[in-house]
Amino acid sequence: ETGVTQSPTHLIKTRGQQVTLRCSSQSGHNTVSWYQQALGQGPQFIFQYYREEENGRGNFPPRFSGLQFPNYSSELNVNALELDDSALYLCASSLGTETSYEQYFGPGTRLTVT
Amino acid sequence: AQSVTQLGSHVSVSEGALVLLRCNYSSSVPPYLFWYVQYPNQGLQLLLKYTSAATLVKGINGFEAEFKKSETSFHLTKPSAHMRDAAEYFCAVSKAGGTSYGKLTFGQGTILTVHP
Repeated sequence: ETGVTQSPTHLIKTRGQQVTLRCSSQSGHNTVSWYQQALGQGPQFIFQYYREEENGRGNFPPRFSGLQFPNYSSELNVNALELDDSALYLCASSLGTETSYEQYFGPGTRLTVT
Repeated sequence: AQSVTQLGSHVSVSEGALVLLRCNYSSSVPPYLFWYVQYPNQGLQLLLKYTSAATLVKGINGFEAEFKKSETSFHLTKPSAHMRDAAEYFCAVSKAGGTSYGKLTFGQGTILTVHP
């Protein structure tokens, strides 16, 4: 059974650019959640996708957007990058949206904005 | 709104000593509570979770936590620390039940150091 994978591992971008991060969910999981973890902080919920639809969003501006594909993999897109967007971006997949379901986290993508 | 406070950003113990990592939560509705561990350059791994069954929850690697509603706490303990327990630990809360889009609210994290 393949776990949650994310790509790329590391990324360096310049302020104002756009970035796309990718996540492959664990086999059988239809729900993907994205989190931003700034240095020295706990992860913060960005949004969740369930069966290709956004199913809840945290306190992040519209320049953070996402997609989920029919195979349940997902992308996180960030436009007009700002220095404060530098963080570890984690995705997590689960069997469904019930809050009791375990979320399985990927290793993350480290984004640096200069 | 929900929030989590982890008391102590760094905890240091000797190998074989008791591990106690503190977590207090705030929630206007019954919560589910979780402890995750994060090793360097890795994602988060679930240690244990409380989902309104037994208040004493046993997890992996010998960890356990007790849900105390009166104290709004969910402290993580392990009787005897091992070197391999050195990592960062996160307490998290979510709304109990339903499809509350699985949003986890995390604490700031506690870095556990284990000395030989």
